[in-house]
Amino acid sequence: GENVEQHPSTLSVQEGDSAVIKCTYSDSASNYFPWYKQELGKRPQLIIDIRSNVGEKKDQRIAVTLNKTAKHFSLHITETQPEDSAVYFCAASPGGGNKLTFGTGTQLKVEL
Amino acid sequence: GAGVSQTPSNKVTEKGKYVELRCDPISGHTALYWYRQSLGQGPEFLIYFQGTGAADDSGLPNDRFFAVRPEGSVSTLKIQRTERGDSAVYLCASSPGTGTGYTFGSGTRLTVV
Repeated sequence: GENVEQHPSTLSVQEGDSAVIKCTYSDSASNYFPWYKQELGKRPQLIIDIRSNVGEKKDQRIAVTLNKTAKHFSLHITETQPEDSAVYFCAASPGGGNKLTFGTGTQLKVEL
Repeated sequence: GAGVSQTPSNKVTEKGKYVELRCDPISGHTALYWYRQSLGQGPEFLIYFQGTGAADDSGLPNDRFFAVRPEGSVSTLKIQRTERGDSAVYLCASSPGTGTGYTFGSGTRLTVV
């Protein structure tokens, strides 16, 4: 089955700096890669996703890049704000989204 | 409804007891998913439904776990003979069809004592 590794486990940045979270996956059949933000005690919320026919996708301050050859994808947050502080999870799916395998999460802390 | 609704929000049960967890998806969403999230971990896939049928139940850990969706809307996750290791947050999600972004519910926190 699919295996997703995520790094770093914790990330602390100053407000206004950029943050990058990286994930690798094992199943070359995976073709859908979403990212979720989870605040303490709350539900995971989809913030951006990318499919394997695209190398990069951007939505305001958030961007995701995908390297299918190397089987890795990354989340980039620019101009970080305190409200970006949360746990971020990457995930991969070989079925286009039916069954997600999640990474172990990155605790992002944006300091004033 | 406006979002995915899960009840109860919290459930404490004794080891060996039977529990049922309910999920009410967004109206019109045909796909429904159950995940389990332990503290400090990412959600772990359990089962997904397309309509009334379980399209993939490969994540159910053993035969103590079972889920149904008899009318293609509300789903119930059933756990028999609960064990302390079953303690986790059980998340339900729905989507308009397969291959599209999920909307998660707030989860049911199950504690087995």
